Amino acid sequence: GENVEQHPSTLSVQEGDSAVIKCTYSDSASNYFPWYKQELGKRPQLIIDIRSNVGEKKDQRIAVTLNKTAKHFSLHITETQPEDSAVYFCAAKPGFQKLVFGTGTRLLVSP
Amino acid sequence: GAVVSQHPSWVICKSGTSVKIECRSLDFQATTMFWYRQFPKQSLMLMATSNEGSKATYEQGVEKDKFLINHASLTLSTLTVTSAHPEDSSFYICSAKNPGVKDVDTQYFGPGTRLTVL
Repeated sequence: GENVEQHPSTLSVQEGDSAVIKCTYSDSASNYFPWYKQELGKRPQLIIDIRSNVGEKKDQRIAVTLNKTAKHFSLHITETQPEDSAVYFCAAKPGFQKLVFGTGTRLLVSP
Repeated sequence: GAVVSQHPSWVICKSGTSVKIECRSLDFQATTMFWYRQFPKQSLMLMATSNEGSKATYEQGVEKDKFLINHASLTLSTLTVTSAHPEDSSFYICSAKNPGVKDVDTQYFGPGTRLTVL
């Protein structure tokens, strides 16, 4: 089955810096890659997603890139703000199968 | 929108008792709902896929007789933790897919239920 690895497990940046979180997946059939933000004790919230027919997608300060050949995708957050502090999860979904989550990255943005 | 609610938001129970958690899709009909468990500082682990009108599909290692899932309507799925023990204490989160939108793969999560078993 699909296996998703996520790095780093923790990431500390200064406000205004950029943050990059990377994920790799194992199943070449995966075609849907969402990113979720989860604040402590709250629900995961979808922040951006990308499909396998697209190499990059951007939404304001957030962007996701996908390299199908290397089987990895990354989340880029520019001009980070303290409210970006949270745990971020990547996920991959092969076809009609279940969504498989990465292990999470705890992002801390210091003022 | 695609709003998913859960009830209760938290529950404390004694060991050996059963607890029911409800997951509702408020503004759409969800033929498929998912139940996840999340331990502190860990990722979301899928427990089972709930399909309206049919039996749930459980992930390997999840006891179907302990975690009873019922999806009796297009807007409601329930998870019952039977004979709960302290090791069942966790954050239980449901999600649902909205078949009425263009992006059918997107999952919308409920706010979660924190279960503490004493």
